[in-house]
Amino acid sequence: DTEVTQTPKHLVMGMTNKKSLKCEQHMGHRAMYWYKQKAKKPPELMFVYSYEKLSINESVPSRFSPECPNSSLLNLHLHALQPEDSALYLCASSQDPINEQYFGPGTRLTVT
Amino acid sequence: QKEVEQDPGPLSVPEGAIVSLNCTYSNSAFQYFMWYRQYSRKGPELLMYTYSSGNKEDGRFTAQVDKSSKYISLFIRDSQPSDSATYLCAMSDRDDKIIFGKGTRLHILP
Repeated sequence: DTEVTQTPKHLVMGMTNKKSLKCEQHMGHRAMYWYKQKAKKPPELMFVYSYEKLSINESVPSRFSPECPNSSLLNLHLHALQPEDSALYLCASSQDPINEQYFGPGTRLTVT
Repeated sequence: QKEVEQDPGPLSVPEGAIVSLNCTYSNSAFQYFMWYRQYSRKGPELLMYTYSSGNKEDGRFTAQVDKSSKYISLFIRDSQPSDSATYLCAMSDRDDKIIFGKGTRLHILP
């Protein structure tokens, strides 16, 4: 089983809202990732958690706040987003940081 | 020069043809090479994962890595309309990050 699940599938939020994206995997993977993907572009890395600790933050604005409550869960808290933040947000996991990454289906976010 | 170069296409081939997708890269430290398939509005799906140089085959898919030329390929045999998607190459050295190519849009014509 190589399934990464993400909720919600779609999210529409206003610029003053606070919302959260959720990602879950039950493969025993110890590295988890958030990516942002705009149309017809490759995924862009945002954050990496390795063994539940934030190991990489790709200079992401503070309106995006990641959280890793345990080894199976990854959240992305959103606050005061801009319309240009509208994108597909992808979660991925890997057995450890140097192994192949498995992606979830993504959350399509629209900021109005 | 960008780290990973991939022709964005679109590439259109007739059903049943052999498809060849390629990427070149500049960082000689890359050791891990991946190919992902992404359907429209879906997450990327891992197709192939190889370490260092050589070939790897899985069903209709063959991945080749030539580290001396800094060139990787994905071949799809007996292509089907369901293979129509964007194919992303990706690679990494020993840290947490993988670098993606821009993706090649592939259309298999029935």
